[in-house]
Amino acid sequence: EDQVTQSPEALRLQEGESSSLNCSYTVSGLRGLFWYRQDPGKGPEFLFTLYSAGEEKEKERLKATITKKESFLHITAPKPEDSATYLCAVTHNAGNMLTFGGGTRLMVKP
Amino acid sequence: DVKVTQSSRYLVKRTGEKVFLECVQDMDHENMFWYRQDPGLGLRLIYFSYDVKMKEKGDIPEGYSVSREKKERFSLILESASTNQTSMYLCASSRPGQGHSGNTIYFGEGSWLTVV
Repeated sequence: EDQVTQSPEALRLQEGESSSLNCSYTVSGLRGLFWYRQDPGKGPEFLFTLYSAGEEKEKERLKATITKKESFLHITAPKPEDSATYLCAVTHNAGNMLTFGGGTRLMVKP
Repeated sequence: DVKVTQSSRYLVKRTGEKVFLECVQDMDHENMFWYRQDPGLGLRLIYFSYDVKMKEKGDIPEGYSVSREKKERFSLILESASTNQTSMYLCASSRPGQGHSGNTIYFGEGSWLTVV
């Protein structure tokens, strides 16, 4: 059975304090690993797709990396506007359905 | 930009009422999905559709049905709403995957349903 586990559940950072969010996955035949950002009361907003170990994607202060067992979302010098819940999800060979992790709630204080 | 539009953002319904949640996407995507999101349980798949008039059960289909009469529109139906269906409902769409690549799934803004 596919499993996606995100850690930590919640993370408090000071503005400018870099850190990483973890997404561990167990899936047969990974087709894609997705990172989403979700603001309170809104739907998930797509950030990145990673397809294979060693791949990296960057967008502003965010950088996503992936190995065969886990993915990291690195946040460099975060700002308060980066506060949100970050969701990780995977799709596998059987289809396009997403299996989600529980999310990491990030709070960045000024 | 991909747009997935959920027509109702906030609804309050009574127990036993029939509820329709509508979703429209403007990118000609074949795949459409309905999820519900609850605190501590994350996002769970209710139903999905790979094509017009096609539907497949997800992880938690009980108490729900869906309709896909047109490619751009996917409706979620609660035949007889119950209080345990109070939740945030998210619609999503995507193209079919190409080879071993998983295609990006785009979400709507969500519909908050309260059943009293």
